[in-house]
Amino acid sequence: AQRVTQPEKLLSVFKGAPVELKCNYSYSGSPELFWYVQYSRQRLQLLLRHISRESIKGFTADLNKGETSFHLKKPFAQEEDSAMYYCALGGGSYQLTFGKGTKLSVIP
Amino acid sequence: NAGVTQTPKFRVLKTGQSMTLLCAQDMNHEYMYWYRQDPGMGLRLIHYSVGEGTTAKGEVPDGYNVSRLKKQNFLLGLESAAPSQTSVYFCASSQTGDRAEKLFFGSGTQLSVL
Repeated sequence: AQRVTQPEKLLSVFKGAPVELKCNYSYSGSPELFWYVQYSRQRLQLLLRHISRESIKGFTADLNKGETSFHLKKPFAQEEDSAMYYCALGGGSYQLTFGKGTKLSVIP
Repeated sequence: NAGVTQTPKFRVLKTGQSMTLLCAQDMNHEYMYWYRQDPGMGLRLIHYSVGEGTTAKGEVPDGYNVSRLKKQNFLLGLESAAPSQTSVYFCASSQTGDRAEKLFFGSGTQLSVL
């Protein structure tokens, strides 16, 4: 079975502070990992995926197979980063397994 | 470019009533999905389809039915709504269903069952 754990329901940081949203996964094979974001009153959209090794809106995430983690990081939080963030795992089927989400609140 | 469109956006039902949620995509995607989003539960897959005329159960299929008569449409039905089905419903689509491929989401349907 595949599982995604996001341990924090809510994360509050001050503007300009570093951000780290944690994601741990459980999967016996080689995982495909994603971060999706949902801004207020907007649809869920892809932020980044590990296969692309890209940086989007200043966010990066590194897959650590040893720790089975895919934490999302940004060095300096901005107010517009306030949103709901979901980590997701593409395992052995067509389906994505989502974590329960972390609400990021950036305090001005 | 509309992408994935869901109708209606909001709906209130009484227990026992039925309704159908419509999802339409204009990207010629093969795969379509219905998720429900509940506070503290994240997104859970209800049903999905790997092509026209096919459907399959996801993680939480009970109380729901689906149909994919046309490639561009994926319907989610509630035959007898229950308060436990109060949720936000999201439709999504993808081209190949490859596990590394991103999903395109609709804007959601907020359903309340009284």
